[in-house]
Amino acid sequence: QKEVEQNSGPLSVPEGAIASLNCTYSDRGSQSFFWYRQYSGKSPELIMSIYSNGDKEDGRFTAQLNKASQYVSLLIRDSQPSDSATYLCAVLTGGTSYGKLTFGQGTILTVHP
Amino acid sequence: SAVISQKPSRDICQRGTSLTIQCQVDSQVTMMFWYRQQPGQSLTLIATANQGSEATYESGFVIDKFPISRPNLTFSTLTVSNMSPEDSSIYLCSVIQGWNEQFFGPGTRLTVL
Repeated sequence: QKEVEQNSGPLSVPEGAIASLNCTYSDRGSQSFFWYRQYSGKSPELIMSIYSNGDKEDGRFTAQLNKASQYVSLLIRDSQPSDSATYLCAVLTGGTSYGKLTFGQGTILTVHP
Repeated sequence: SAVISQKPSRDICQRGTSLTIQCQVDSQVTMMFWYRQQPGQSLTLIATANQGSEATYESGFVIDKFPISRPNLTFSTLTVSNMSPEDSSIYLCSVIQGWNEQFFGPGTRLTVL
């Protein structure tokens, strides 16, 4: 089992729709979770971090965390063509004293007009 | 967030040669990280670089192949030694700010012929 798994893509949604990106992780001791957006040819850009169970909203983005189910998700409301990118789920590996991030394989999102 | 720069932004190198990648941050940071992103893949941590101590390498990465320097709190280098085509990747440095949030440099795109 991979340490961090994301729902297989690519994911295609129409402009204005809600895009739902999912991620599961295997290390139950993990405490910090992140979503990065990566445009083609660019480096990853941090868009959301979440540390507690529940929802965290930032503009059109909502991150959801359920530690009991070892599940974290990202919802993008009112999707725009500019949201088309690869979304990477990253988990801070539990038990480490330094910032080792383990990344999922990424989900390619395409928002079509 | 910190401003991170990397040099070179890209390079094409011959098999058997070495390339040193520089990472510069505009503020002092305790830890710097080096990642590799192979074509079409997600990010994999190579090593963690602390100022004044030897780098900590992840499983599958060794100092002879990827020597790292960290001479001060704003700068680090990663050398890719004795390169082969399998080393063709994007190499990224990152730093931690806030609550374990990692921010990435623009990356160095390496092609080995």
